[in-house]
Amino acid sequence: SQQGEEDPQALSIQEGENATMNCSYKTSINNLQWYRQNSGRGLVHLILIRSNEREKHSGRLRVTLDTSKKSSSLLITASRAADTASYFCATDRGGYQKVTFGIGTKLQVIP
Amino acid sequence: DSGVTQTPKHLITATGQRVTLRCSPRSGDLSVYWYQQSLDQGLQFLIHYYNGEERAKGNILERFSAQQFPDLHSELNLSSLELGDSALYFCASSVSWAADTQYFGPGTRLTVL
Repeated sequence: SQQGEEDPQALSIQEGENATMNCSYKTSINNLQWYRQNSGRGLVHLILIRSNEREKHSGRLRVTLDTSKKSSSLLITASRAADTASYFCATDRGGYQKVTFGIGTKLQVIP
Repeated sequence: DSGVTQTPKHLITATGQRVTLRCSPRSGDLSVYWYQQSLDQGLQFLIHYYNGEERAKGNILERFSAQQFPDLHSELNLSSLELGDSALYFCASSVSWAADTQYFGPGTRLTVL
């Protein structure tokens, strides 16, 4: 099974609303990353949060990490139609361990 | 544009055939990763190369093989193709062996008929 599991699997909101996506994982990690994928395109790195960090911001993105609960959340504030995409979390256990991606949250922002 | 290039963009072939997918990493990146993404599926990690050497293997079938050349480009070879191999194949690159930020190519869409 995937190391990271996003929730919800799909989310539909109105433009201007906030979107929150969650990621849970099973084993301890070195860092956790969020990526975005527009339909059929390559993934684009959004933000990386290390295991000793609790919160990180980048523009309209806010990521939190709770290592005690093995979970992370991605908040997109004031969403735009252009934010419509799939969002993946990826966990890195460090060393030569592979980065593991979840199955993603499909976000639709309705104009 | 991530700086990672993949060729070809699309590939349509028949069952039983063999294909080669090519990836050129970003300038300066030593790691190349290959992923398979089937319809509505997450990314399945296939294999990781660092500076020409295999570093980690994921759910890669025995019919699939990869290598990274001295100029750091990489090729993924898929043989004895089956219908279920139809998918998007992505490569990604990163600076070091410790997978921090990965930069993804645009992908190769493989259709096996």
